[in-house]
Amino acid sequence: EDQVTQSPEALRLQEGESSSLNCSYTVSGLRGLFWYRQDPGKGPEFLFTLYSAGEEKEKERLKATLTKKESFLHITAPKPEDSATYLCLNSGGYQKVTFGTGTKLQVIP
Amino acid sequence: EAGVTQSPTHLIKTRGQQVTLRCSPISGHTSVYWYQQALGLGLQFLLWYDEGEERNRGNFPPRFSGRQFPNYSSELNVNALELEDSALYLCASSWGGSGGRSETQYFGPGTRLLVL
Repeated sequence: EDQVTQSPEALRLQEGESSSLNCSYTVSGLRGLFWYRQDPGKGPEFLFTLYSAGEEKEKERLKATLTKKESFLHITAPKPEDSATYLCLNSGGYQKVTFGTGTKLQVIP
Repeated sequence: EAGVTQSPTHLIKTRGQQVTLRCSPISGHTSVYWYQQALGLGLQFLLWYDEGEERNRGNFPPRFSGRQFPNYSSELNVNALELEDSALYLCASSWGGSGGRSETQYFGPGTRLLVL
């Protein structure tokens, strides 16, 4: 069975304190790994798509990387406005989609 | 470019009633996905429609159903509402998949359903 595990469940950082979020998966035939940001009560906002091991994407203070078993979302010098829940989505075998349970990030000024 | 839209934004129903939620995808997208997000929980996959056909459904009872129209908009129907159906219902759309890769899903703002 396809599984997606995100860690840590919650992360509290001081403003400027860099860290990484993890998304590990057991998905047969990975067809895409997607990162989203979700603010409370709102729909997820798309951040990155990764398709192949070794692939990296960057956007402002965020950088996503992918290996054969996991993906990392690196946050460099975070700001309070980066506080949100970060979700990863795996698309595995044809027409199967699995979301992780998310990492709730709080950045303190 | 307009994003994914959903209606209504909020809804209050009583147990046993039926509800219909609506979703309009981004122009040009042919796939629509429905998810349930109960308070404090992760997103649970409900249904996936592409080109008017149901492609896959998650582990939900048959009282959760839907359809996709020729203009690619979609409806989610929930019959015989139960208290635990209270949740944020999210719709997402994407281009149709091709070349062995999945397309990025773009989400709407959601419909908040409260069942009393």
